[in-house]
Amino acid sequence: AQSVTQPDIHITVSEGASLELRCNYSYGATPYLFWYVQSPGQGLQLLLKYFSGDTLVQGIKGFEAEFKRSQSSFNLRKPSVHWSDAAEYFCAVGAGGPGSARQLTFGSGTQLTVLP
Amino acid sequence: SQTIHQWPATLVQPVGSPLSLECTVEGTSNPNLYWYRQAAGRGLQLLFYSVGIGQISSEVPQNLSASRPQDRQFILSSKKLLLSDSGFYLCAWRQGAKTEAFFGQGTRLTVV
Repeated sequence: AQSVTQPDIHITVSEGASLELRCNYSYGATPYLFWYVQSPGQGLQLLLKYFSGDTLVQGIKGFEAEFKRSQSSFNLRKPSVHWSDAAEYFCAVGAGGPGSARQLTFGSGTQLTVLP
Repeated sequence: SQTIHQWPATLVQPVGSPLSLECTVEGTSNPNLYWYRQAAGRGLQLLFYSVGIGQISSEVPQNLSASRPQDRQFILSSKKLLLSDSGFYLCAWRQGAKTEAFFGQGTRLTVV
């Protein structure tokens, strides 16, 4: 079974500083990888996704993520954080193939606080 | 374009009362539909998913049930709510396994 680990429950950064949120996955084949962001009381919004090809993917709001197969990681980065980036971030892994409709597994999330 | 509607946004219900949360998707056909529950600091727990009308798969044994009476309608129900049913419920859809999920705005359920 696939799994996702987000080792950082809470991260605090100053506005303008760089950001990296960690995500490690466990899956036997090439995974489909996603990052979502959730503002309080809202649904999840897709930031970016990786299916295949270039391992560095660009997303919305200036975010990017890099797929590293050797490390089973898909870390999210942003060079300069804005106060509006404060939210909860979820990494997710999906799979293809038979019976894969259910296979979209989420990490437990990382809460980002941005200091002025 | 595709949209997903989920209602109500908030709900306060007494213990033992019934529950019905509704989710509809527009602009697509035969989507995979999902109900998740989110507890604080615990990520998203998949409750039910459906790959077609009348086809429901349950992931976690519990006090809840789901139904899909129409292609783009997904309903989460309970006959008698428990305190432990409180949480944030999210509906989502995917067009297939190799696509991302799109989420509704969620329902905050408080059982009192």
